[in-house]
Amino acid sequence: EAGVAQSPRYKIIEKRQSVAFWCNPISGHATLYWYQQILGQGPKLLIQFQNNGVVDDSQLPKDRFSAERLKGVDSTLKIQPAKLEDSAVYLCASSPELGGELFFGEGSRLTVL
Amino acid sequence: GQQVMQIPQYQHVQEGEDFTTYCNSSTTLSNIQWYKQRPGGHPVFLIQLVKSGEVKKQKRLTFQFGEAKKNSSLHITATQTTDVGTYFCAGPPWGGSNYKLTFGKGTLLTVNP
Repeated sequence: EAGVAQSPRYKIIEKRQSVAFWCNPISGHATLYWYQQILGQGPKLLIQFQNNGVVDDSQLPKDRFSAERLKGVDSTLKIQPAKLEDSAVYLCASSPELGGELFFGEGSRLTVL
Repeated sequence: GQQVMQIPQYQHVQEGEDFTTYCNSSTTLSNIQWYKQRPGGHPVFLIQLVKSGEVKKQKRLTFQFGEAKKNSSLHITATQTTDVGTYFCAGPPWGGSNYKLTFGKGTLLTVNP
């Protein structure tokens, strides 16, 4: 069974530039999550989708971050404009059910200079 | 909002020694999940506990869920170098409609061979 796919694996940008990350969850998983993990910390939930609807985005900095999950499958996370403090690994995870086991992708490491 | 605390933040042991990490939530949980993240890797699901007072074992790992469903522990017997990594607990709040999975900051385990 294919796992959660994410791209790009690495991205380096300058502050105020924009960046987009892509995630393809495990087939059939209705729930998709984007987490931000800063070095040395636990994953912080940014947004949670159930199919193509947003379940929770209370910790998403909506002035610069946006995410969508069209057709309830793939998802993209965008940052515009990026700040230095956005340097982190962005983890996508999917789950067959709300509150269930998370399957994480390998993450997209963002460095903002 | 819900907070999940883990102690200790770091633990260094000699190979063969035991290790325990503790997880405490500010709110009652629907379930508790444990994940392991190897250095440079992504979190990988270990186990989920659902019932109050539940205890589960996986070879040398023993997981407990507290009676009040607000705390949990992970105990590793006779650590090996392969146990190195950061152990995270995460759990959705009881009675919530979104099953938001909040992670603790993790416990980094290092093992001296």
